[in-house]
Amino acid sequence: DTGVSQNPRHKITKRGQNVTFRCDPISEHNRLYWYRQTLGQGPEFLTYFQNEAQLEKSRLLSDRFSAERPKGSFSTLEIQRTEQGDSAMYLCASSLGRDRGGTEAFFGQGTRLTVV
Amino acid sequence: GQSLEQPSEVTAVEGAIVQINCTYQTSGFYGLSWYQQHDGGAPTFLSYNALDGLEETGRFSSFLSRSDSYGYLLLQELQMKDSASYFCAVNNYGQNFVFGPGTRLSVLP
Repeated sequence: DTGVSQNPRHKITKRGQNVTFRCDPISEHNRLYWYRQTLGQGPEFLTYFQNEAQLEKSRLLSDRFSAERPKGSFSTLEIQRTEQGDSAMYLCASSLGRDRGGTEAFFGQGTRLTVV
Repeated sequence: GQSLEQPSEVTAVEGAIVQINCTYQTSGFYGLSWYQQHDGGAPTFLSYNALDGLEETGRFSSFLSRSDSYGYLLLQELQMKDSASYFCAVNNYGQNFVFGPGTRLSVLP
């Protein structure tokens, strides 16, 4: 296993279109996180899954955003009716969450979204 | 809620020692982590402090004082490749990791 994989690496879309990103975590990791990062800022938490259950969503995650992890393996993040403010790097991370959620998150290379 | 503060930029010369501070206001957490991110790259894990005190990993050390709501990352024998952004992050009671705004380290020859 080579780590967390995200596809696509780059996405340019027109305002109002829908986009979907995919994340394949490290295979034995039960926790999967989605973060958003803009230039010069730290990653902002969006949502996380433990196995297939989505356990927490940030208030940043508007109704236009939806995430799934159908079989507890890969995850998808969909943004509907994209807006220019959605332009950012979308990072996926996974961890082996034992009793305290794990100590280390492994990040993918991210998907850079540009909304024009 | 969780709120973390870091200096926005730090500059040091090759071979020197640099300390990057992280202060926080939280309702509690399991531990404090540090991540490194090169331009265009993914954040990568450096260290984790569950307890107060110093953790050493090679050239990098990290410190936590819960009573002072404070932690730092210490980088020794700086190398040009250490030029990157560094983020502190709290393990928010196993819910998620909350990141600070990041410190951009520039290492000069």
